[in-house]
Amino acid sequence: SSELTQDPAVSVALGQTVRITCHGDSLRTYYANWYQQKPGQAPILVIYGKNNRPSGIPDRLSGSSSGNTASLTVTGAQAEDEADYYCNSRDNSGNFHVVFGGGTKLTVL
Amino acid sequence: EVQLVESGGGLVQPGGSLRLSCAASGFTLSRYWLHWVRQVPGKGLVWVSGFESDGSTTISADSVKGRFTTSRDNAKNTLYLQMNSLRAEDTAVYYCARVDPRVRRPYWYFDLWGRGTLVTVSS
Repeated sequence: SSELTQDPAVSVALGQTVRITCHGDSLRTYYANWYQQKPGQAPILVIYGKNNRPSGIPDRLSGSSSGNTASLTVTGAQAEDEADYYCNSRDNSGNFHVVFGGGTKLTVL
Repeated sequence: EVQLVESGGGLVQPGGSLRLSCAASGFTLSRYWLHWVRQVPGKGLVWVSGFESDGSTTISADSVKGRFTTSRDNAKNTLYLQMNSLRAEDTAVYYCARVDPRVRRPYWYFDLWGRGTLVTVSS
């Protein structure tokens, strides 16, 4: 089955821009989705598809993709953006499984 | 309010069984695909199983295949995860998450998550 790979940790200065990436073969077939998880809370969807934000998600979060790589960009990072971010997609190996990246811990300095 | 609420977690001995529930409110559960995702405290999200289509399609991760089964009670608007032959490595917070079956490839995403229920497998 497929795998998704993320950098374990990324940091950004307050107000600056940071990109979190996700690599995997399944991303050639399915768009990556991004979930934000803060300590003690459930994940929430922040980006889905090509670059779509659910209601209530600030527009400083954006998504992009190319080939087998997807990115989540935080433009003008705020303290409240500090969280774990997970990418995910459907497995493209024909088994209908679901895959998650290992998660990226974003620290806002 | 549209939400999913998990329950049924707790402490169970290795080899034991537990049934988790995922109650939906604010929408009709049978119109959506529901999945289970687990997370060892301090670790990442791991997909466990999915209940799709009209309920005839169940998919499971290899790590739980043959031990975990998913079912649905439409009258109670609730999804269940029956976990048998539990192992220490099944210890995790278990989340249920929703997929809108109207989305088509290349789109596929969990648009709603519950708050999770903790399962601890230990003697």
